[in-house]
Amino acid sequence: NAGVMQNPRHLVRRRGQEARLRCSPMKGHSHVYWYRQLPEEGLKFMVYLQKENIIDESGMPKERFSAEFPKEGPSILRIQQVVRGDSAAYFCASSPPASSNEKLFFGSGTQLSVL
Amino acid sequence: QKEVEQDPGPLSVPEGAIVSLNCTYSNSAFQYFMWYRQYSRKGPELLMYTYSSGNKEDGRFTAQVDKSSKYISLFIRDSQPSDSATYLCAMIYSGNTPLVFGKGTRLSVIA
Repeated sequence: NAGVMQNPRHLVRRRGQEARLRCSPMKGHSHVYWYRQLPEEGLKFMVYLQKENIIDESGMPKERFSAEFPKEGPSILRIQQVVRGDSAAYFCASSPPASSNEKLFFGSGTQLSVL
Repeated sequence: QKEVEQDPGPLSVPEGAIVSLNCTYSNSAFQYFMWYRQYSRKGPELLMYTYSSGNKEDGRFTAQVDKSSKYISLFIRDSQPSDSATYLCAMIYSGNTPLVFGKGTRLSVIA
């Protein structure tokens, strides 16, 4: 029973390029959350999605960032025109349907480095 | 004032010691309190979850919540080198609001 799968584990991009981070939730889970962890900072909420719906995007930067969770396939966090300040670890978490988010299961994260 | 304050450490203790990790928070609307453990280059994993003032015990771990003082603690008894990790406190207002994390305390247990 695989846990939350994130890929790639490491992603290097040059300034101005696009970054795509993927997350496959645990089997049977239909809620996905994205968090960002900057060096020496705690995890910061970005967005909460259910299949084909964005439920809460209050933590997403207004520009360049978008997220989706299609009916089929993984959830994608997309960062356009990356800047050095986007360098961070991005974590995805999932929870089962009809579950609140106090018990989340996290993936191992994608470390994004912007050169 | 940050919503959740947590001393980042690092904290270094000898094997077998009792470890005390703490967080304070500013908003009394927080209802649910969690402790996560994060090993290097891994995602956080849930250790303890509680929603009421008082103590909750699970093996060597005890979570304590004092809502009147807006203070939560995690105690680790008989600490082991395998407990070396970063410990993050987290809390939420209600079941469908985002988790708010502390910065994490880095713990090293020395054999």
